[in-house]
Amino acid sequence: EDKVVQSPLSLVVHEGDTVTLNCSYEVTNFRSLLWYKQEKKAPTFLFMLTSSGIEKKSGRLSSILDKKELFSILNITATQTGDSAVYLCAVEAGNFNKFYFGSGTKLNVKP
Amino acid sequence: DAGITQSPRHKVTETGTPVTLRCHQTENHRYMYWYRQDPGHGLRLIHYSYGVKDTDKGEVSDGYSVSRSKTEDFLLTLESATSSQTSVYFCAISQGGYQNIQYFGAGTRLSVL
Repeated sequence: EDKVVQSPLSLVVHEGDTVTLNCSYEVTNFRSLLWYKQEKKAPTFLFMLTSSGIEKKSGRLSSILDKKELFSILNITATQTGDSAVYLCAVEAGNFNKFYFGSGTKLNVKP
Repeated sequence: DAGITQSPRHKVTETGTPVTLRCHQTENHRYMYWYRQDPGHGLRLIHYSYGVKDTDKGEVSDGYSVSRSKTEDFLLTLESATSSQTSVYFCAISQGGYQNIQYFGAGTRLSVL
């Protein structure tokens, strides 16, 4: 059974802290891994990762994939209250463009 | 929202009534998906479509049916709504191919009383 597991389920930090969110997966015919940010609305796309060891970076956010160990991490440096959200990890796998989502990590950044 | 419109945005209905949710896209993407989101479960796939009239079941398809008669429209029907179908429903689209990114609509909040 294909599955995606995120940890931790929730996290509380203070502004300025650095956080690391984890996503591990077990799927058949891996194609890509995607990270999304969800505030009180639709998920918005952050990163797509397809190759191991290549860091994707956007401002204070960065992500990397390890296809050997089957996991990805999302780092957020110098956190701000606007980073408070649920972060979702999704894996595209199989032959029919299906995506499998983890249950998300809820990040709360306090002033 | 990447040219994706979901309607209605909110709906309250009674147990046993049929409900249809609509997803309309202007991106001409091949793939369309319906998910439900419940606390603690992330996004769970209900049904998806890989072309006009081509659909398949996801992991939580019981009690739901879908139809896609045009590229731009993907309908989700609850034949006889139950309280367990109270949820937030998201439509998503993707182009397929190498850089296959899913984009989401704004969601429909459905309450079944």
